[in-house]
Amino acid sequence: LAKTTQPISMDSYEGQEVNITCSHNNIATNDYITWYQQFPSQGPRFIIQGYKTKVTNEVASLFIPADRKSSTLSLPRVSLSDTAVYYCLVGANSGGYQKVTFGTGTKLQVIP
Amino acid sequence: KAGVTQTPRYLIKTRGQQVTLSCSPISGHRSVSWYQQTPGQGLQFLFEYFSETQRNKGNFPGRFSGRQFSNSRSEMNVSTLELGDSALYLCASSLGLAGIVAHEQFFGPGTRLTVL
Repeated sequence: LAKTTQPISMDSYEGQEVNITCSHNNIATNDYITWYQQFPSQGPRFIIQGYKTKVTNEVASLFIPADRKSSTLSLPRVSLSDTAVYYCLVGANSGGYQKVTFGTGTKLQVIP
Repeated sequence: KAGVTQTPRYLIKTRGQQVTLSCSPISGHRSVSWYQQTPGQGLQFLFEYFSETQRNKGNFPGRFSGRQFSNSRSEMNVSTLELGDSALYLCASSLGLAGIVAHEQFFGPGTRLTVL
């Protein structure tokens, strides 16, 4: 079972790049790494997903080193609306009784 | 395209009672997963249903159960409620063909359950 660890909170000024790291030391070979964003009183929202190396979409980048024991979510030029809790999720990509593990969440506060 | 809907949004129960929560997934999604979110334990995976079968299960006691209907709608039941069951219960739907995490999950707004 992959255990994940994230920083509890981070502060950043508007316009800066923010990097949030998730540690998942015992990630399994088939596990994917996914990041979600959650605003108060809402369910989490998908940001990005990867398996290895680097993935980029229109809102974020995900960096995964060769050993896959950690991953870093990178948010370019954050704005006040990016203030939220960010979760990494590690889990298997196949059916069966594989457990799905969310990180503890990182509360990002963007400062004007 | 309508999102994931959960009913009810808020619920208050007393210890020992049982409760049923409902989740309607996005049209075309066959996988529905349930999560419990509390300030102390964070987001914890309960179970996942795909095509009316429980395919994945988290580490929760047997008081927590669920089912999925042929139209992919899902219900979660908690029997003999305890104070510690107070939480936000989230459901998420996805295409689910290759398992939960291989696909983007779309979450509903959650049901806030308070046990007195």
